[in-house]
Amino acid sequence: RKEVEQDPGPFNVPEGATVAFNCTYSNSASQSFFWYRQDCRKEPKLLMSVYSSGNEDGRFTAQLNRASQYISLLIRDSKLSDSATYLCVVNTYGGATNKLIFGTGTLLAVQP
Amino acid sequence: NAGVTQTPKFQVLKTGQSMTLQCAQDMNHNSMYWYRQDPGMGLRLIYYSASEGTTDKGEVPNGYNVSRLNKREFSLRLESAAPSQTSVYFCASSTPGLSDTQYFGPGTRLTVL
Repeated sequence: RKEVEQDPGPFNVPEGATVAFNCTYSNSASQSFFWYRQDCRKEPKLLMSVYSSGNEDGRFTAQLNRASQYISLLIRDSKLSDSATYLCVVNTYGGATNKLIFGTGTLLAVQP
Repeated sequence: NAGVTQTPKFQVLKTGQSMTLQCAQDMNHNSMYWYRQDPGMGLRLIYYSASEGTTDKGEVPNGYNVSRLNKREFSLRLESAAPSQTSVYFCASSTPGLSDTQYFGPGTRLTVL
């Protein structure tokens, strides 16, 4: 079983739609959680951290359910510029550095 | 402030050739990382360096060596390239903490024939 699992998609949605991505992780001792965004042929960039209480950044809302080991990302009012691969990332923190475990990503294509 | 830079951007090697991928960061970060990204596999950690003078193996270290030259620079060496090492290689840096962020370089696309 992969440590971080995501639906690879693709999710094809029209502009203005609401879309949700889910992710599960296997290590119950994981300490912190992130969503990264990766545009085609570019490097991953942090989209947002995910906190236990849930957090929102504009059109983006992230949720964490530690009991179910489940993370979600909701995008409201999708824009063409949201088209990218969204990576679910889990930090198995230990010692002097942090090791990020990446999911394989979910591809989002927003259609005009 | 350039962030994380990598050279080269593209490289084609023949099986058995060697090469070094260079990475530098100007954010005064303590930790640096090398990942490879393959279709359907996600990013996988090759080696990391928690601080200047230390390096440790990640998930897929075989066939690679690293050098943490100083706080800014972390290089990845392929001694005898194999077709299985065809991939996109990303360098990243961070300063550890529970809520820190890893910042990635633009990547090196390597093809081994």
